[in-house]
Amino acid sequence: DILLTQSPSSLSASVGDRVTITCRASQNVRTYLNWYQQKPGKAPKVLIYSASSLQSGVPSRFSGSGSGTDFTLTISSLQPEDFASYFCQQSYSAPRKTFGGGTKVEIK
Amino acid sequence: EVQLVESGGGLVQPGESLRLSCAASGLTVSDNYMSWVRQAPGKGLEWVSIIYTGGSTYYADSVRGRFALSRDTSKNTLYLQMNSLRPEDTGVYYCVRDVDSVWYFDHWGQGTMVSVSS
Repeated sequence: DILLTQSPSSLSASVGDRVTITCRASQNVRTYLNWYQQKPGKAPKVLIYSASSLQSGVPSRFSGSGSGTDFTLTISSLQPEDFASYFCQQSYSAPRKTFGGGTKVEIK
Repeated sequence: EVQLVESGGGLVQPGESLRLSCAASGLTVSDNYMSWVRQAPGKGLEWVSIIYTGGSTYYADSVRGRFALSRDTSKNTLYLQMNSLRPEDTGVYYCVRDVDSVWYFDHWGQGTMVSVSS
């Protein structure tokens, strides 16, 4: 199985901060890497697919980059509604996909 | 608007069975790649199973041989039959649409809770 390691596992930040979350794959997944946001008690929501494509309706402050084994999700200016958990997911090994362990973004 | 509505969760004892349903509207289940993803309490996400448009099914190693994914085209509904349930199967089960070729999950249901405990 392809393992995805996210870092940090949690972070504290203030509104307006630039936030960066990383995801490292145990092997090359090319750009088959997606990012999701999940708020407590809710289903996840896709933010970025194919490493850097912004899902329709997602604010432009979210961006993704990377290829191969190293990927980044960036929130350019953190908003109150962005406090949530974020997960990366690889689909290179489709049909079987795996998720990272998650990063919880909390209010400082 | 796409809606996926799961049902069938509940509390069962180890070794028992449950069948989850996912009723879809706004999309045709048989024309889409449909998956189940689960989340143990306070934990991360785990892909469980997928059914392709052609009917092929695939499973995570953790559930292969115990779970079976199927669909009813007349009811536009997806089913996950879960047998020989274990405590580690406890969690929220989400029905999701899997985008062809790119393979990300763009539509999610609200989830149904499965608890396996004696």
